[in-house]
Amino acid sequence: DGGITQSPKYLFRKEGQNVTLSCEQNLNHDAMYWYRQDPGQGLRLIYYSQIVNDFQKGDIAEGYSVSREKKESFPLTVTSAQKNPTAFYLCATTPGQKISSSYEQYFGPGTRLTVT
Amino acid sequence: KNQVEQSPQSLIILEGKNCTLQCNYTVSPFSNLRWYKQDTGRGPVSLTIMTFSENTKSNGRYTATLDADTKQSSLHITASQLSDSASYICVVSARGNNRLAFGKGNQVVVIP
Repeated sequence: DGGITQSPKYLFRKEGQNVTLSCEQNLNHDAMYWYRQDPGQGLRLIYYSQIVNDFQKGDIAEGYSVSREKKESFPLTVTSAQKNPTAFYLCATTPGQKISSSYEQYFGPGTRLTVT
Repeated sequence: KNQVEQSPQSLIILEGKNCTLQCNYTVSPFSNLRWYKQDTGRGPVSLTIMTFSENTKSNGRYTATLDADTKQSSLHITASQLSDSASYICVVSARGNNRLAFGKGNQVVVIP
């Protein structure tokens, strides 16, 4: 069964705690992305990685951190510095490194994080 | 200012009817435009991708059009089904920019 796996589907944390969201892919895609989705808003890019051991900040990277130690995995850590962490988090991949090309972007099923 | 504007924000249609969703963008220089369908609580799924030279593309009952001169796109749903109830997101890519510009989505509800 090929695709993108995000776990868990629902995550609850207390304010002040760091939490790590998992994203795994077996599509052999080069690039991986993390987006945040809030009600009534478009998706916003948090971080992306085009190759292993390299990643770039997106538009809203503050309060988040990532690693890309393996091609298949791109975990996202939501730190206590993120002011409004409650959101729906989506991981995505593309076969090539350039998103501006016509490569299809594939999305995972998402993780809904609730921080209270 | 959002570079991708979608309208209407939401609409309700009767099962079996057609509907058209609109997307206007200001992204430049244009590379491609994508339409995604997102069911509630799920990740978006690609419907179509169109480059500058394509002005129409179909995927089953979904037909997307692109007018790169006026920077407008539409997504037409034919003979709607209950399973078409979802958010439809317009996404535009600029050449040389490793970002995608996302619209806020058109929320479609199909009722029997």
